[in-house]
Amino acid sequence: KAGVTQTPRYLIKTRGQQVTLSCSPISGHRSVSWYQQTPGQGLQFLFEYFSETQRNKGNFPGRFSGRQFSNSRSEMNVSTLELGDSALYLCASSLALQGADTEAFFGQGTRLTVV
Amino acid sequence: QQPVQSPQAVILREGEDAVINCSSSKALYSVHWYRQKHGEAPVFLMILLKGGEQKGHEKISASFNEKKQQSSLYLTASQLSYSGTYFCGPGHNNNDMRFGAGTRLTVKP
Repeated sequence: KAGVTQTPRYLIKTRGQQVTLSCSPISGHRSVSWYQQTPGQGLQFLFEYFSETQRNKGNFPGRFSGRQFSNSRSEMNVSTLELGDSALYLCASSLALQGADTEAFFGQGTRLTVV
Repeated sequence: QQPVQSPQAVILREGEDAVINCSSSKALYSVHWYRQKHGEAPVFLMILLKGGEQKGHEKISASFNEKKQQSSLYLTASQLSYSGTYFCGPGHNNNDMRFGAGTRLTVKP
């Protein structure tokens, strides 16, 4: 079966702009979580969506937002980009809410560079 | 709150053993382990649940001490393919999955 698909794979944006990243989960998966990964910082949790509702949110400013559609596809938006937002953004899909007893499947990520 | 992983990095020779530890300040429902190879997405290794149940795909052993809120991953007779960064993610009742900073494992020939 198809894996988790993230688009685009690479993105270069200018400070102050906004960006939208997309994640298509594995068919049948209802949970999508987003993570920011920077060197030395591990996987920083952004938020999790389940059945179109945000269930959990990490410690990121309000510039970071997301949503989930009825087909479980999710988008993440970052407004007023800062240089520090440069990172690999990963999404993970799972059958149930993360933190339970189901495994998560990660996409290849979107590499965002802010210049 | 992120769990704490130790060590931050470890270098091994093929065939040697390693232990990666993960501890949480919050009560744990489960512990999840993932491995990320350079340039790739994290891949699921195993889930350890309260009561001793484990779910995993690989022949890697791990322990989960519920009272101490700690988990350890045991990599025995390491192979080159074990190289990567290992992340633990504690499962809490609120289903909030926040991973540790990771442990970078390098296995050399």
